[in-house]
Amino acid sequence: DGGITQSPKYLFRKEGQNVTLSCEQNLNHDAMYWYRQDPGQGLRLIYYSQIVNDFQKGDIAEGYSVSREKKESFPLTVTSAQKNPTAFYLCASGQGGQPQHFGDGTRLSIL
Amino acid sequence: DAKTTQPPSMDCAEGRAANLPCNHSTISGNEYVYWYRQIHSQGPQYIIHGLKNNETNEMASLIITEDRKSSTLILPHATLRDTAVYYCIVRVAGTDSWGKLQFGAGTQVVVTP
Repeated sequence: DGGITQSPKYLFRKEGQNVTLSCEQNLNHDAMYWYRQDPGQGLRLIYYSQIVNDFQKGDIAEGYSVSREKKESFPLTVTSAQKNPTAFYLCASGQGGQPQHFGDGTRLSIL
Repeated sequence: DAKTTQPPSMDCAEGRAANLPCNHSTISGNEYVYWYRQIHSQGPQYIIHGLKNNETNEMASLIITEDRKSSTLILPHATLRDTAVYYCIVRVAGTDSWGKLQFGAGTQVVVTP
């Protein structure tokens, strides 16, 4: 089935450590997105990419980095500069005006 | 993009219709109304969208007022699996800039037996 796969489902980070969240899609969508969700809150955009080798900062990009070397992959790195990384991270993809498709998320916690 | 206002929560009895309101009084003429839902610890799931006509699919119906300033999502026969947070979003379609999407806090719907 076509869809978006996020891994791992749960991730733990030690102080000062960088961690990378994986997002893969087989929908052949040009655009991909990363959101952060805190408890009881809506989604906030971290980064998005509308084409391979290009990406733009969202509303809360500080402390995060991304790459888009392949159309189907858009990994997110949570760096040690992100002081409050504990959250639910969601990846999405889209094409044209069609509704976005979302993955099932990665829950990141601090050890 | 226009902002939306939704009630924070609502309850619904299993088997009954759930009517979820959304206010979008500043909507522009080329903005669509989209509905998503998010079951706990999962990613949001697309439900339905519309411009000005009422829409229906296998999941729900969308009723948009004539002035387009508000809409209602109708789940015709709510089940326990419909318990989720429901998001109403207005968005210009036909563009690829979903990066501007704004998910607010939504409406927490609890379906009870």
